[in-house]
Amino acid sequence: GAGVSQTPSNKVTEKGKYVELRCDPISGHTALYWYRQSLGQGPEFLIYFQGTGAADDSGLPNDRFFAVRPEGSVSTLKIQRTERGDSAVYLCASSLLMNTEAFFGQGTRLTVV
Amino acid sequence: AQSVTQLGSHVSVSEGALVLLRCNYSSSVPPYLFWYVQYPNQGLQLLLKYTSAATLVKGINGFEAEFKKSETSFHLTKPSAHMSDAAEYFCAVRGAPSGGYQKVTFGTGTKLQVIP
Repeated sequence: GAGVSQTPSNKVTEKGKYVELRCDPISGHTALYWYRQSLGQGPEFLIYFQGTGAADDSGLPNDRFFAVRPEGSVSTLKIQRTERGDSAVYLCASSLLMNTEAFFGQGTRLTVV
Repeated sequence: AQSVTQLGSHVSVSEGALVLLRCNYSSSVPPYLFWYVQYPNQGLQLLLKYTSAATLVKGINGFEAEFKKSETSFHLTKPSAHMSDAAEYFCAVRGAPSGGYQKVTFGTGTKLQVIP
């Protein structure tokens, strides 16, 4: 596709459930980023991949959050035992190289009820 | 450490009036600064960026921003607001000249309302 694609666009889940959020980056982009945007806040960094490996996961809030990018393209953000405080828009971005401009997807709005 | 402060979570202007969105930054090293726009249900789009070349930076859609080191500011302006400018705007800073977007810190955003 032409841009970064995130699915689903909306996800409602019950407290305690497991969710997976998917990101399809722009083809050929080596760097991939996940951010979380809570209501009334700016995006906050979660994790960064360079190729298949997580180069920086310092933004993950706790061990309930995990992300993978097994083939260096599509990435999945996984959240276990969801809590109401996890409700937010999860943004994915990709860039051709580490230092170049990042392009953002439209986000997945996660609501934990 | 680095941070940005956006003054005013909501700004309203009349169509055709000047747009001024304020951003002040804090950085322990010379900063790279960005302005992004977010339309409803869309991703962030880069409007412009300052990377130490010219202090007055021109971006897309008629927006520009001026880097003022003495004031630690990077305010976003547009001479004449259009209805299509209604969106949320984010200022962001990256303190390290190298490193990717994991080093970018975003502000809390300013929602711009344009009144016909």
